[in-house]
Amino acid sequence: NAGVMQNPRHLVRRRGQEARLRCSPMKGHSHVYWYRQLPEEGLKFMVYLQKENIIDESGMPKERFSAEFPKEGPSILRIQQVVRGDSAAYFCASSPGRPQETQYFGPGTRLLVL
Amino acid sequence: QQPVQSPQAVILREGEDAVINCSSSKALYSVHWYRQKHGEAPVFLMILLKGGEQKGHEKISASFNEKKQQSSLYLTASQLSYSGTYFCGTGGRDDKIIFGKGTRLHILP
Repeated sequence: NAGVMQNPRHLVRRRGQEARLRCSPMKGHSHVYWYRQLPEEGLKFMVYLQKENIIDESGMPKERFSAEFPKEGPSILRIQQVVRGDSAAYFCASSPGRPQETQYFGPGTRLLVL
Repeated sequence: QQPVQSPQAVILREGEDAVINCSSSKALYSVHWYRQKHGEAPVFLMILLKGGEQKGHEKISASFNEKKQQSSLYLTASQLSYSGTYFCGTGGRDDKIIFGKGTRLHILP
């Protein structure tokens, strides 16, 4: 049973470009969460999605950031016009049901903005 | 609303015990514990639900005091493989999980 998959694992972008991060949840999981982690810091909640719905995006910046989880395909975290401060590790997690059930993390995407 | 973890860091010798604490200012329904090694994804350790239930996994166990809104993670006879950063995550019944800043554990041989 494959775990949570994320790609790419590493992404380098120049300031002003767009970054697209993908997350495929574990089989049977319909809830996806995105977290951002800066070096030597904790996991900061960004957004919680179910299929075709954004449930909670309170941790996501209002500008430049968007997320989706379409009926078919992976969840996408999109960062437009990246800035150096966006450099971080972005982790996706999934759970079979509501957030109180165990969340399993993917390997993360490490974004570097030059 | 971010839970507070203590200590921030701890250094132990192999075989010693450790306790990591997690406290919240709001009523909790669940506490989730994860361990993360440098450059890797957080790995699930255990989840504790409202009810004060203590759980265990080999030499790692945890307690949840819902009255005090606290949880503690107990590492017994620590092994080198226990090194890493431990995160607690807390949440209400249908709320997102909010993680603490982590406790760095370093085990010396």
